[in-house]
Amino acid sequence: GENVEQHPSTLSVQEGDSAVIKCTYSDSASNYFPWYKQELGKGPQLIIDIRSNVGEKKDQRIAVTLNKTAKHFSLHITETQPEDSAVYFCAASGADKLIFGTGTRLQVFP
Amino acid sequence: NAGVMQNPRHLVRRRGQEARLRCSPMKGHSHVYWYRQLPEEGLKFMVYLQKENIIDESGMPKERFSAEFPKEGPSILRIQQVVRGDSAAYFCASSDMTGTGELFFGEGSRLTVL
Repeated sequence: GENVEQHPSTLSVQEGDSAVIKCTYSDSASNYFPWYKQELGKGPQLIIDIRSNVGEKKDQRIAVTLNKTAKHFSLHITETQPEDSAVYFCAASGADKLIFGTGTRLQVFP
Repeated sequence: NAGVMQNPRHLVRRRGQEARLRCSPMKGHSHVYWYRQLPEEGLKFMVYLQKENIIDESGMPKERFSAEFPKEGPSILRIQQVVRGDSAAYFCASSDMTGTGELFFGEGSRLTVL
């Protein structure tokens, strides 16, 4: 089955700097790659996603890139703000379900 | 337009008791997923259900855990004879399509086993 690895597990940046989180997946048949943000005590919320027929997608300060050959995808957050502090999860679609990475705790210091 | 509703939000049980967690999917969604999150860990898939059918239960422990999604009413995740290791946050998510669509998560049910 699908296996997703995520790095780093924690990331601290200064406000205004960029943050990059990387994930790799194992199943070459996976074709959907969402990113979720989880704030303390809340459920995860989708922030951006990408499908396998696209190499890059951008939404304001957030972008995701996908390299299908290497089976890895990345989340880029530019001009980080304190409210970006949260846990971020990548995921890849298995046959009928999403398999999640282990999460990255992002802290943005003012 | 209500989102995914989970209850209870917090549940405390003693070892050996039963825990029942309920999930009402978003309106119009017929796909329900349960995930477990241990403290400081990721989301582990447990089970995927459609109305009256278990589609994939490959993440469910073989004993004590069961799930259902009846024709009427919420999906239920049932844990019998709870042990301390069952303490976790249990998240329900729903979707209007299988596998490759956005999952909408509830706020989770936090189970503490004393």
